[in-house]
Amino acid sequence: DIQMTQSPSSLSASLGDRVTITCRASQSIRTYLNWYQQKPGKAPQLLIYDTSSLQSGVPSRFGGSGSGTDFTLTISSLQPEDFATYYCQQSFSHPWTFGQGTKVEIK
Amino acid sequence: QVQLVQSGAEVKKPGASVKVSCETSGYTFTAYYIHWVRQAPGQGLEWMGWIHPNSGDTKYAQKFQGRVTMTRDTSINTVHMELSSLTSDDTAVYFCARDPIPAGMDYFDHWGQGTLVTVSS
Repeated sequence: DIQMTQSPSSLSASLGDRVTITCRASQSIRTYLNWYQQKPGKAPQLLIYDTSSLQSGVPSRFGGSGSGTDFTLTISSLQPEDFATYYCQQSFSHPWTFGQGTKVEIK
Repeated sequence: QVQLVQSGAEVKKPGASVKVSCETSGYTFTAYYIHWVRQAPGQGLEWMGWIHPNSGDTKYAQKFQGRVTMTRDTSINTVHMELSSLTSDDTAVYFCARDPIPAGMDYFDHWGQGTLVTVSS
């Protein structure tokens, strides 16, 4: 199975900050990398698919980049509704696997 | 609009089975894969498998092979996930989620609200 490792596991940031979350795959997954946001007690929501494609309705402050084994989710200016846990997921090979999550908290 | 509505919370004893339902609406049920993903309390997300509602074809994560069965009922646009031989490690919220592309892209654009399954003696 492909292991997905996110860093950091948690971070504290202020409104308006630029936030970067990293996801590393245990082997190359080309660009088959997706990002989700999850708030407490809710289902995850798709933010970005195929590394950098923004899901419909997702604000443009979210962006994704990378290829191979190293990927990044960037929030350009943190808003109150962005405090949540973020997960990466690879869709290169079965079984689909997720990172352990990055919790973004208010500083 | 696309909706996935899951059945209610369940409490089961170790060794029992649980069946969770996911009723869909707002799109052509038979055209899109449905996946199941679970989340243990305070933990991350774990993919369990998928079913294609048109053919009934399934693919399961090896971890769950032999214990999970995914089925569909096209008359009521519903998929089911049954997990047997439950242990406390199966205590989790179980989500159904739709693949956004008929050909299957293996990410998930619409999710059910989740069903808490608690396994306790």
